[in-house]
Amino acid sequence: EPEVTQTPSHQVTQMGQEVILRCVPISNHLYFYWYRQILGQKVEFLVSFYNNEISEKSEIFDDQFSVERPDGSNFTLKIRSTKLEDSAMYFCASSVGLAGYTGELFFGEGSRLTVL
Amino acid sequence: GENVEQHPSTLSVQEGDSAVIKCTYSDSASNYFPWYKQELGKRPQLIIDIRSNVGEKKDQRIAVTLNKTAKHFSLHITETQPEDSAVYFCAASIDDGGSQGNLIFGKGTKLSVKP
Repeated sequence: EPEVTQTPSHQVTQMGQEVILRCVPISNHLYFYWYRQILGQKVEFLVSFYNNEISEKSEIFDDQFSVERPDGSNFTLKIRSTKLEDSAMYFCASSVGLAGYTGELFFGEGSRLTVL
Repeated sequence: GENVEQHPSTLSVQEGDSAVIKCTYSDSASNYFPWYKQELGKRPQLIIDIRSNVGEKKDQRIAVTLNKTAKHFSLHITETQPEDSAVYFCAASIDDGGSQGNLIFGKGTKLSVKP
């Protein structure tokens, strides 16, 4: 069964450093997302991406965040200057949308970011 | 923007009993309501979803009901089993015929099923 894959599974970084989290969405999916989950809390929407541009973003997704689809298969989340409060599990997700629409959002296993 | 409230935050039941988790939403434009199950340290996985054009949907031991007027929806799990133990999240979004993935999640319900 196709899966969304994410790397790294865990990253430890120093405050102020840049971090790039990588995702490979399911190949025929059209919509891509990043969510985050602070330990013990709910899953929070960060950004959605379609047709090579951001379609929606939340208040959390401020100027220190950016997303990119550099090569047609990878989907990345960059955090420019990490803060302690960025420590969380970051989930990538994808969905079909449009043709072949099923309504299901497929999540990756997550990348745990720890900022020291 | 949309706000989703979920209750209870924890729920403990005996194996074989039923469990009910309730959510309310604020944006009347929301029309897609999925439920996700998240086991400890794992990714959220869709277990059932409902759209606003139906009032109830069932899949084996799991059912979801939707009351659009009251803006609330509920997850019902019957004949609970220990493997149902997990955190359950409700969510809401606006499905405009394209993506419905800009989900706003509730805070989650930790369900414990005691053997």
